[in-house]
Parts: sequence; C-alpha cells; structure tokens
Amino acid sequence: EIVMTQSPATLSVSPGERATLSCRASQSVSSNLAWYQQKPGQAPRLLIYGASTRATGIPARFSGSGSGTEFTLTISSLQSEDFAVYYCQQYNNWPSLTFGGGTKVEIK
Amino acid sequence: QVQLVESGGGVVQPGGSLRLSCAASGFTFSSYGMHWVRQAPGKGLEWVAFIRYDGSNKYYADSVKGRFTISRDNSKNTLYLQMNSLRAEDTAVYYCAKDQQLERLFDYWGQGTLVTVSS
Repeated sequence: EIVMTQSPATLSVSPGERATLSCRASQSVSSNLAWYQQKPGQAPRLLIYGASTRATGIPARFSGSGSGTEFTLTISSLQSEDFAVYYCQQYNNWPSLTFGGGTKVEIK
Repeated sequence: QVQLVESGGGVVQPGGSLRLSCAASGFTFSSYGMHWVRQAPGKGLEWVAFIRYDGSNKYYADSVKGRFTISRDNSKNTLYLQMNSLRAEDTAVYYCAKDQQLERLFDYWGQGTLVTVSS
C-alpha cells in the first residue's frame, strides 16, 4: 500500500496570504495525485487532479504541482471560504486508493 | 446537476448487518463506475469499494474484503453497499462518490450517511 503523508497537520494563515500544503508518497505515484477540500459537516470536493489540473469550477487561486513522491497544493490568496481540511489522494496504485491524513487550514 | 443521496445508515450491534443505498441523478448512472468512501468520526478518508459501470468488476479495500459487498441497479440509478459482520471500527460516515472515469478518483460526492456500530 502506498502511504500518503501530509504536512503540516495544521496551517494557520491570515486571509489574503498564501498557503502551501505538502503531500508525500511512500513511493512514486507519477502525476496520479488529486487534492480535495472538505469543510465541516460537508462532503469532500475535488479540487485538483493529475497533480496540477483544476477540476471544473475551481478558482485559479488553487494550484497544484509536483510529480513522483513530492506534491504541493498552493492557495495564492486565502479567502474566508478556503478555511477547511485538504486531503491528497493517489490513484496510481489501482486497485488500492489511498488518502493522506489531511491538512487543516485555519484562520490565524 | 449531479446529485448523490445516501440512505440506510443507523446504529447496529457488532456482528450485525446493514445495507446502504445511494440514489443518483443528473448524469447517466449506467455509464460510470461508482465508489464508497468512509470517514471515521474526526478522522481522514478511507476508500472502501468500487464497482464498474456495468457491475462486471468490483474491488474492495482489504479492511472490508469478505464482509462488504458493493452492487448496483442501473434500472433504478442506485448504488448499494451490503455490510455484514460489522465491527466497531466500521463506525463512520459513508459517502458514495462518482468515478471520474478517466482516472480512479472521485469527482462528485454525496452528503454521506452515518453508520454506528455499538452495543
């Protein structure tokens, strides 16, 4: 099983600032990496797939980068609605799909 | 628009059974694979099972293999998860999710249904 590790566990950021979230895979997943956003009491929402492609309707302030084992999700200027938990997910090792433990982005 | 509505959650004793349903609308259900993903209270996400668009292939996480069965009725646009031999560690919100089709990821999610396994 590929283990996905996200850091930091919690990120405190002021509105308007940049947030940088990391995701590391225990072995290469190529670019088969997705990011999801989950707000309290809600289902996750797909943000990014293919490591860097924004899903339909996702604002341009969200960007993803990386390949192999190291990935980054960047939120260029945090809006109030962006405070949430973010998960990465690898889909390279099908039929095993694994998520990272999540990064909570909170208001500083 | 895509809508996925789960039902069937509740409280069940250890060793018991439960069947979850997911009613789909807003897309051609019979053309897409579907997943179940769960989230224990206060924890992260765990993929549970996948079924191909026509039901011909099914895949499971090791943690549920042999106990859970995923199925679908394309005539009713409904996905199911039959859960047997339930354990305390199966306590979670269960989400159904639509497969993106090009890749094994989840492009739409339901709101989830809570399953609590407790005596």
